Amino acid sequence: QQQVKQSPQSLIVQKGGISIINCAYENTAFDYFPWYQQFPGKGPALLIAIRPDVSEKKEGRFTISFNKSAKQFSLHIMDSQPGDSATYFCAAPKNSGYALNFGKGTSLLVTP
Amino acid sequence: GAVVSQHPSWVICKSGTSVKIECRSLDFQATTMFWYRQFPKQSLMLMATSNEGSKATYEQGVEKDKFLINHASLTLSTLTVTSAHPEDSSFYICSASTGGAAYEQYFGPGTRLTVT
Repeated sequence: QQQVKQSPQSLIVQKGGISIINCAYENTAFDYFPWYQQFPGKGPALLIAIRPDVSEKKEGRFTISFNKSAKQFSLHIMDSQPGDSATYFCAAPKNSGYALNFGKGTSLLVTP
Repeated sequence: GAVVSQHPSWVICKSGTSVKIECRSLDFQATTMFWYRQFPKQSLMLMATSNEGSKATYEQGVEKDKFLINHASLTLSTLTVTSAHPEDSSFYICSASTGGAAYEQYFGPGTRLTVT
C-alpha cells in the first residue's frame, strides 16, 4: 500500500526559530506535493504546494524543498510564531485518480 | 476563493438513526469531492471519492451501504451515515477539487458526529 512517511511526529520550536518537517513518498501518478495546516476542531487548510518543475517554492515564511531523486520533500517555517502552532500534514497523489495520500501529521508547538 | 462549507458543524444522534452531512463548494465548481474521516490526533483517512453525476468510489474497507455518498451537482455532495452506531462517532471532513487543478483539494471545516 502506498505510504507517505512524515517526521517528526511532534516538534517544539522557540519563537523565531526554524521548524522543519520532512516527508518521503512512494510512486505517484503526478508530481504534486502539498502541505496542509490544521488547527484543533477545524478542517485542514492548504498552506503551500509544489509541482515537479521546481525544487523549491517559497511563500512568505513557508518554503517547500523537493528532492525528486530521493522522493522526499520538506516544509521549512522560518521565524516560527506561536500562531503557527498546529498540526501539519504532507500529502502526495495516489497512483491513480486524483486522491491524495496523507502523512500521519506533525504536531508543532512554538513556544513564546 | 476556493471556499468549502459543511453542514452541520456538529451533530448528535441516537444509535440506529441516519445522519446526512452536506458539503458545498461556495465559489467554484467541484467536479470531484472527497470524504475523509479523522480520529483524534490522527491523520485523514480517505473514505471515498465522488464525481458529479456518477457513483462514488469507496476505499477498501469502507462500507458503501453504510456511508452513502451523493454528488448531485457541481457544488454539492452529501454523506449519509445510515443506521449509525457509537463506533461511527468521528470527525468527517469533505474536500473539493477545482476543475483546472485536480489535485488541489480545499477542505471544509468538518462535521463532528457523536452517536449515543
